[in-house]
Amino acid sequence: ILNVEQSPQSLHVQEGDSTNFTCSFPSSNFYALHWYRWETAKSPEALFVMTLNGDEKKKGRISATLNTKEGYSYLYIKGSQPEDSATYLCAFPGGGGSYIPTFGRGTSLIVHP
Amino acid sequence: DTGVSQDPRHKITKRGQNVTFRCDPISEHNRLYWYRQTLGQGPEFLTYFQNEAQLEKSRLLSDRFSAERPKGSFSTLEIQRTEQGDSAMYLCASSLDYREAFFGQGTRLTVV
Repeated sequence: ILNVEQSPQSLHVQEGDSTNFTCSFPSSNFYALHWYRWETAKSPEALFVMTLNGDEKKKGRISATLNTKEGYSYLYIKGSQPEDSATYLCAFPGGGGSYIPTFGRGTSLIVHP
Repeated sequence: DTGVSQDPRHKITKRGQNVTFRCDPISEHNRLYWYRQTLGQGPEFLTYFQNEAQLEKSRLLSDRFSAERPKGSFSTLEIQRTEQGDSAMYLCASSLDYREAFFGQGTRLTVV
C-alpha cells in the first residue's frame, strides 16, 4: 500500500491571504504526481500533472512545485478568494506497474470573505 | 462527450439489500476506476479496468462487491447484502492510459 500524505488536513484563511499545502509520496519508482481540486457538490477536477523533478506549474493564482528525490510537492495559492474553498487532493500513480492513482486524505481549504 | 456520468446520484437502501451503480466514462478512455470516499478521507481505491478487463481489486474489498465493464464501455458496481459500513460516496473515474483521471459526481450511498 502506497503512503501518500497531505498536510494540513484543514486550513481556514482570510480572503487575500496566500497559503500552501504539502503532499508527500514515495520517492522511488516515480512516474507522476497529480493535484485535484474537489469543490462541494462537484466532481474532483485535475489541476496539475507533475512529471519532472523541479517542475513548477501555474494556473492563475495557483501553482505547484515538485521534488521527486525527496518525495514531496507543494501547492500554493496566492491571494486566496472564497471561490478557492475546496478540498485539494494529490494522487500518486504508482506501485507494481499498474499506475493506479493513490490519493492522500486531502487538505480542506476554507477562505473567509 | 460531456464527461464521466454516474447514476444514481443518491441511493438510500435498507441493510441487507443489494444495490447497483452505473458509470459511463469518457468514451475514448481505456482505464476506469472505482473509488470509495468517506468523511475526512481521500478516495480509497476499489477496483480498476483496462478496457473490459478487471486488472486489479483492492485487497480490502469484500466479496460482496463486484464490478463489471462489459465491452469496455460503461461499468457497474454491485454491492450485495449491504451493511451500514458501506455508506459512503462511490466515485468513478476514467483516464487515457496513465494520464490524469476524470471523475463523475459520485453516488452517495446511505444504508439504513
